[in-house]
Amino acid sequence: KAGVTQTPRYLIKTRGQQVTLSCSPISGHRSVSWYQQTPGQGLQFLFEYFSETQRNKGNFPGRFSGRQFSNSRSEMNVSTLELGDSALYLCASSAQGLTTNEQFFGPGTRLTVL
Amino acid sequence: AQTVTQSQPEMSVQEAETVTLSCTYDTSESDYYLFWYKQPPSRQMILVIRQEAYKQQNATENRFSVNFQKAAKSFSLKISDSQLGDAAMYFCAYRSDFQGGSEKLVFGKGTKLTVNP
Repeated sequence: KAGVTQTPRYLIKTRGQQVTLSCSPISGHRSVSWYQQTPGQGLQFLFEYFSETQRNKGNFPGRFSGRQFSNSRSEMNVSTLELGDSALYLCASSAQGLTTNEQFFGPGTRLTVL
Repeated sequence: AQTVTQSQPEMSVQEAETVTLSCTYDTSESDYYLFWYKQPPSRQMILVIRQEAYKQQNATENRFSVNFQKAAKSFSLKISDSQLGDAAMYFCAYRSDFQGGSEKLVFGKGTKLTVNP
């Protein structure tokens, strides 16, 4: 089974631009979560989508948004980029069951804002 | 809100020795899950071990085991017979059982483990 894939792997943008990151979960997984990883703040939860609906949301400004498609692929968008948005963005997918399921992480997208 | 604290930013261990990474958490909930994730320099995060709060028995996965102290809200990871491939960032994470099925994880800041040959 193919793992979680994220595209692109690296991205360089300038302040004020917008960016879209993509995440393809493991086949059959319907939950996709996004995390921002920075040296200062560590790993912070952005949001989670399940069956095309946002199920949970972290404490990030409205410039950060996401969506999920019917094939469970997910995208996150950041508008009006700021220098502080430079980070590694990780997505994770999991199946649903009666007990907690392991989350499988992708390799991440390294976003640099200049 | 739940918080996870890893008080050791860096640790080192000699190959074949044992090392213990510390993690404490704060929650008012009684049902939850705890995890240790490993992030090698290649950046792909992988699950090392998990513990359900309702289980009294400590989880074990080969060379990895945990010491789960629910009353003390402590969840340490012990790595036995350390190998060079164990070198990585290790993150402790908490998942509530009261978030409508959400898979949201709350992470600690991580511990960088170095394994010396």
